[in-house]
Amino acid sequence: GQQLNQSPQSMFIQEGEDVSMNCTSSSIFNTWLWYKQDPGEGPVLLIALYKAGELTSNGRLTAQFGITRKDSFLNISASIPSDVGIYFCAGQVNTDKLIFGTGTRLQVFP
Amino acid sequence: DGGITQSPKYLFRKEGQNVTLSCEQNLNHDAMYWYRQDPGQGLRLIYYSQIVNDFQKGDIAEGYSVSREKKESFPLTVTSAQKNPTAFYLCASSPGLAGGSDTQYFGPGTRLTVL
Repeated sequence: GQQLNQSPQSMFIQEGEDVSMNCTSSSIFNTWLWYKQDPGEGPVLLIALYKAGELTSNGRLTAQFGITRKDSFLNISASIPSDVGIYFCAGQVNTDKLIFGTGTRLQVFP
Repeated sequence: DGGITQSPKYLFRKEGQNVTLSCEQNLNHDAMYWYRQDPGQGLRLIYYSQIVNDFQKGDIAEGYSVSREKKESFPLTVTSAQKNPTAFYLCASSPGLAGGSDTQYFGPGTRLTVL
């Protein structure tokens, strides 16, 4: 099945630093979603984007729906230890299937 | 509390045995989904159902079966035909077309280990 290209694959940063990650696709999407997964748990929805160019924030998290509809970005400002986990992007064309990125593993050091 | 529950959290089975994973939701969502996650990888869609008594194959349906007899329940059976069944299985649900949103929400997952 199709998967999105998500980068970077992993990040090791110090507490307080800002983080950026992105997803790209060869296909156009109508919806972009960003999830965070803690080890051994299910993904939790962070931000949902429904319109090209849309910029949405959720606390220290900001995500953008790329203007070409083929990419999306997630930024985390002033990282803290509980930001550790795997971040997944997901794109949706029609209303029945999500296509998931390969994940970005984030490690935050004190 | 509204949400999606999966049970059990950990499941061990002998090779050649069928096993059924439970997924229940009390969110009144129309659509439900099953995904498989392998270490270090993203999620792959096994089966999905947009309405009761109807379901469709996802990208990796071989060796799996599902049923959708009730709106709130979508059990997944991992059959002996599945060649590599050991994985983390995630169930999700979404309001669906009638609910005006297709954002998916996930359960806590079941880790299946076949010995």
